[in-house]
Amino acid sequence: SQQGEEDPQALSIQEGENATMNCSYKTSINNLQWYRQNSGRGLVHLILIRSNEREKHSGRLRVTLDTSKKSSSLLITASRAADTASYFCATSAGNTPLVFGKGTRLSVIA
Amino acid sequence: DARVTQTPRHKVTEMGQEVTMRCQPILGHNTVFWYRQTMMQGLELLAYFRNRAPLDDSGMPKDRFSAEMPDATLATLKIQPSEPRDSAVYFCASGLGHRQNSNQPQHFGDGTRLSIL
Repeated sequence: SQQGEEDPQALSIQEGENATMNCSYKTSINNLQWYRQNSGRGLVHLILIRSNEREKHSGRLRVTLDTSKKSSSLLITASRAADTASYFCATSAGNTPLVFGKGTRLSVIA
Repeated sequence: DARVTQTPRHKVTEMGQEVTMRCQPILGHNTVFWYRQTMMQGLELLAYFRNRAPLDDSGMPKDRFSAEMPDATLATLKIQPSEPRDSAVYFCASGLGHRQNSNQPQHFGDGTRLSIL
């Protein structure tokens, strides 16, 4: 299965700290995407990184991709209470639709 | 901002009843996905459509689930008869796809929280 697996399952940090979440997957991919899900809401797309890219930034988000290790990381800098959510990676490979991992639950304590 | 709209947001019903969930994708999006989310299984893809044609519904229990797109503005997911194990949050998502798969970001609705008693 190409399913991504996020690590850790849960993360609790203080406001202002950085949060790092990791995603590992098993097969070659076209791209990898990160999504956020607030409680009781749908997933929201954050960032897409293609297989030929190594790093991407969007505001306080930084995503890296290491295709040799089949892994990606999402870094949220200077975290805020509003960043409290679950974060999912999703991989796209071949002709199959996105496959989502089970997510990392991030709690940012004010 | 354009949004995917799902109705109802919540549904509680007794086992054996028919359940219909509706989704209005973002105007112009040609790909619609149905997912089920539970604590145990995470987010599972049930079915998806491209240009209203079903591409894959292998994630769906065929004996009780059916998914359709009567027109470009409406997607439906039906469960008949419903069972307690169908209790979950069901999400619809839409996006733009140009090949068999969709590499583009998906836009999710806020889901239908279904409880089967």
